[in-house]
Amino acid sequence: AQKVTQAQTEISVVEKEDVTLDCVYETRDTTYYLFWYKQPPSGELVFLIRRNSFDEQNEISGRYSWNFQKSTSSFNFTITASQVVDSAVYFCALQSNTNAGKSTFGDGTTLTVKP
Amino acid sequence: SAVISQKPSRDICQRGTSLTIQCQVDSQVTMMFWYRQQPGQSLTLIATANQGSEATYESGFVIDKFPISRPNLTFSTLTVSNMSPEDSSIYLCSVYRDPEAFFGQGTRLTVV
Repeated sequence: AQKVTQAQTEISVVEKEDVTLDCVYETRDTTYYLFWYKQPPSGELVFLIRRNSFDEQNEISGRYSWNFQKSTSSFNFTITASQVVDSAVYFCALQSNTNAGKSTFGDGTTLTVKP
Repeated sequence: SAVISQKPSRDICQRGTSLTIQCQVDSQVTMMFWYRQQPGQSLTLIATANQGSEATYESGFVIDKFPISRPNLTFSTLTVSNMSPEDSSIYLCSVYRDPEAFFGQGTRLTVV
């Protein structure tokens, strides 16, 4: 069975602070993909990043960075110098080859960035 | 990338009625999925829509309540039948194009 745990239900920070959203996953598959999505109040899911299980390099995209550590089954997401527009629900998701196309989502972390 | 058009984007429905949600993809895909997101919750897979055969439902979801059609490789519908307030959710369709899943913009359903 697959499982994604986002232990932080809600996080509140003040603008310009750095914030890290945690994601821990479980799977028996050796090939899998990890995702982060942003869901603003409007409701659509905005794709942020995809990582495959063979690529443990960290990635940086502007103010966003991701730390993938297979040894601890974690795929954490850091926003540097947060902005009010970063306020949203963030979901971590897992997709494996044995369940091709089906995504298992974490419960989400609600991030509030205050001015 | 895949472009997914989902409609309606939102609706308010009376209890006991049914609503059909449409999902159109810009190109042929083998797999289409329907998810539900209840208020304040995560996404839960309802079923996999298979072209040419019956949909495959996840535990807790049944065909009588959520009938699905998949007439071709670019289109699917999900019907929420005999609605109650507990069905108020966002419903999202998703397609799989190896190795990524893409999501429609969602249908925000409120049942009164």
